Amino acid sequence: QQPVQSPQAVILREGEDAVINCSSSKALYSVHWYRQKHGEAPVFLMILLKGGEQMRHEKISASFNEKKQQSSLYLTASQLSYSGTYFCGEVPIGGADGLTFGKGTHLIIQP
Amino acid sequence: GAGVSQSPSNKVTEKGKDVELRCDPISGHTALYWYRQSLGQGLEFLIYFQGNSAPDKSGLPSDRFSAERTGGSVSTLTIQRTQQEDSAVYLCASSQMTVNTEAFFGQGTRLTVV
Repeated sequence: QQPVQSPQAVILREGEDAVINCSSSKALYSVHWYRQKHGEAPVFLMILLKGGEQMRHEKISASFNEKKQQSSLYLTASQLSYSGTYFCGEVPIGGADGLTFGKGTHLIIQP
Repeated sequence: GAGVSQSPSNKVTEKGKDVELRCDPISGHTALYWYRQSLGQGLEFLIYFQGNSAPDKSGLPSDRFSAERTGGSVSTLTIQRTQQEDSAVYLCASSQMTVNTEAFFGQGTRLTVV
């Protein structure tokens, strides 16, 4: 089973904010966030290792609620360069299952 | 090497033929992953290696798929008797030590089965 991401797609105007959510059915050790631009390989944004941990990459931040098995990615004052598909990845406690990704959230930023 | 290297970058094969996809991870990275991405779709987990061992092979779509890793380095993903539904981009990623570190992706192999 893979994590569930929502929404599936978001269209924003430059400067607007967005939140992408990621939910898991498993007890998690860590949550990863990656961004993939069209025709390119996914690129690492951040990893959250502890419950309640918040991380930041430029103007993008994320939180991890260990008890709810949820993570959220916050994009503040979005820029055109933020366009792409965002994937959350989960590592269950035990780690034997590797890194499994959700289906992705397509983000389009319009000028 | 400087990054994760995958070869070939493109492969067109006839239905029923076998193909081998190669992944050369970043030197020193012990964790290696294979994913499949169909057009416009997500990252489908195939298999994960820690060193030469694959703790979980349940992500492989069928028994036509197999993967191995030797010397804790290069990995090959083999697809036997290819089918049209196998057409996709196959991505390899590696990370240092464990799954709880940043994964670096290769540019992928685009497989087309005709």
